[in-house]
Amino acid sequence: GESVGLHLPTLSVQEGDNSIINCAYSNSASDYFIWYKQESGKGPQFIIDIRSNMDKRQGQRVTVLLNKTVKHLSLQIAATQPGDSAVYFCAEKLQGGADGLTFGKGTHLIIQP
Amino acid sequence: NAGVTQTPKFRVLKTGQSMTLLCAQDMNHEYMYWYRQDPGMGLRLIHYSVGEGTTAKGEVPDGYNVSRLKKQNFLLGLESAAPSQTSVYFCASSGEPGYNEQFFGPGTRLTVL
Repeated sequence: GESVGLHLPTLSVQEGDNSIINCAYSNSASDYFIWYKQESGKGPQFIIDIRSNMDKRQGQRVTVLLNKTVKHLSLQIAATQPGDSAVYFCAEKLQGGADGLTFGKGTHLIIQP
Repeated sequence: NAGVTQTPKFRVLKTGQSMTLLCAQDMNHEYMYWYRQDPGMGLRLIHYSVGEGTTAKGEVPDGYNVSRLKKQNFLLGLESAAPSQTSVYFCASSGEPGYNEQFFGPGTRLTVL
């Protein structure tokens, strides 16, 4: 089965509110995590990443939190905009591996006006 | 830079037919990947390459072959297409295997009848 999963398949938020998308992972050996955004008909687009030696990282309007104790990852989007509507995937990578990422199923973020 | 490009964008095959999907990147990346994405699912790794002339199996390699004759190109072949291979195929590349994001192409939507 998948080692990366998401708690909710769909998240609906009001425009201007903050969004929090959650992700659980099961492999303790994973040491690198990425959040991707995928709009309809397009490939995944990098949002933000975090290494396992960090517990928080901030970007423009986005923050990723990593809790290694409970193997939980979250993506916070501040002041959600209509353009944030998309499916968000978390992905993990095993330490030192040259192979690909392991993706969760995704959360569909819907922005309501 | 065009980034990662994929051809074709769409294709319909009959069961048993063969085809090749082409991925090209102009970022001089060593690492290239092929993923498939099924409805409501995250991406799953098919094959990957850590450099020109090398290939390796991912999570779901059966029914596919790959070749990396040139650094900038990564080809995915289906020798005898099956309906179970109906999916959206994404190619990605990265400069290093470690803590670096993967850049994705726009995808190829393949339907096998």
